[in-house]
Amino acid sequence: QKEVEQDPGPLSVPEGAIVSLNCTYSNSAFQYFMWYRQYSRKGPELLMYTYSSGNKEDGRFTAQVDKSSKYISLFIRDSQPSDSATYLCAMSVMRGSQGNLIFGKGTKLSVKP
Amino acid sequence: DAGVTQSPTHLIKTRGQQVTLRCSPISGHKSVSWYQQVLGQGPQFIFQYYEKEERGRGNFPDRFSARQFPNYSSELNVNALLLGDSALYLCASSLGPGSQYEQYFGPGTRLTVT
Repeated sequence: QKEVEQDPGPLSVPEGAIVSLNCTYSNSAFQYFMWYRQYSRKGPELLMYTYSSGNKEDGRFTAQVDKSSKYISLFIRDSQPSDSATYLCAMSVMRGSQGNLIFGKGTKLSVKP
Repeated sequence: DAGVTQSPTHLIKTRGQQVTLRCSPISGHKSVSWYQQVLGQGPQFIFQYYEKEERGRGNFPDRFSARQFPNYSSELNVNALLLGDSALYLCASSLGPGSQYEQYFGPGTRLTVT
């Protein structure tokens, strides 16, 4: 079993839809949960991070972490064609001075005009 | 402010050759990490450096090595290239230990091994 599981999609939605992206994980020691957006042939762009459980909102984006279920989500409201990209979840233990990120495979999202 | 920069953008090498990839972090960031991203997969951690010292190493063979310079830039070296080393190599920077949850990635170097 991989430490982080993410459905690769592809996911196709109409413009204006609410998008839900999810990851599950197996390592209960993960403390930080990140979402990255990666456009084709570009580096990942940090969207937001969350510490431990709870919700965090930034504009049209909302991240949720449920540590009891080992499940994290990213919601995108009023999706736009410019949101079309691959979305990567990442997690970290942050033990001492180390803090390498463990990534999911990424979900490819397409928002149709 | 400039983000993380990487060079070269693309590289084509032959099996058995050696390659050096370069990374300059965001100004003020002292930690650099290297990741390998194979097509269709998420990035996989290779190394983390802080203040010129290796602070973490992923599950990669000894053919992979790295170093960090006094100006916090970094190089990743891969010896005896294999076809399976073809990937996008990403560099990420952060302020330092305790801020690894806020890593910013460069555009990557796309390495093709033939």
